[in-house]
Amino acid sequence: GIQVEQSPPDLILQEGANSTLRCNFSDSVNNLQWFHQNPWGQLINLFYIPSGTKQNGRLSATTVATERYSLLYISSSQTTDSGVYFCAVPSTSGTYKYIFGTGTRLKVLA
Amino acid sequence: GEEVAQTPKHLVRGEGQKAKLYCAPIKGHSYVFWYQQVLKNEFKFLISFQNENVFDETGMPKERFSAKCLPNSPCSLEIQATKLEDSAVYFCASSPDGGVEQFFGPGTRLTVL
Repeated sequence: GIQVEQSPPDLILQEGANSTLRCNFSDSVNNLQWFHQNPWGQLINLFYIPSGTKQNGRLSATTVATERYSLLYISSSQTTDSGVYFCAVPSTSGTYKYIFGTGTRLKVLA
Repeated sequence: GEEVAQTPKHLVRGEGQKAKLYCAPIKGHSYVFWYQQVLKNEFKFLISFQNENVFDETGMPKERFSAKCLPNSPCSLEIQATKLEDSAVYFCASSPDGGVEQFFGPGTRLTVL
């Protein structure tokens, strides 16, 4: 089945710094989502981004489906950005279930 | 509603007891998905429904897990005779159609003692 890897696995930033998180997937996909899981366990939908670039405030995402990767940019990071970031893509089984990436754990220090 | 609702938020069961989790998908969404998150970083797909019909149950442990989505009722995920390894957060998601954005609920944390 499709493999989804994220890098880096862990990231520590000073407040105000910028970062780029990467999601690589091993097969063609027709959609992709980015999520933020906050320290309380809530899974927050950041972007639905099958291709192209989207921006929402300090966050933006780019998916290059032909090259099988997506990037999540966080600018001017804040302590509230801490948590785990996941990307998810549909499995190749054709039944729409998501395969989640391995996650990037981000800690932003004040 | 405009959000996926899951109840309860937390559930504690003794080993061997039954656990039942509920999910109300967004109104008008025809697909419902259940995922299990263990060890904080690992998500496992359990089952999906298209309206009230099972669509994909390849992730369901057959023996103790069952799920339903009946008309005009919340969907449910039931675990008979819970085991310690069932301790996890269970997320429900819904989507308006297959192959498009999934909207996730807040999850139910199940602790089996």
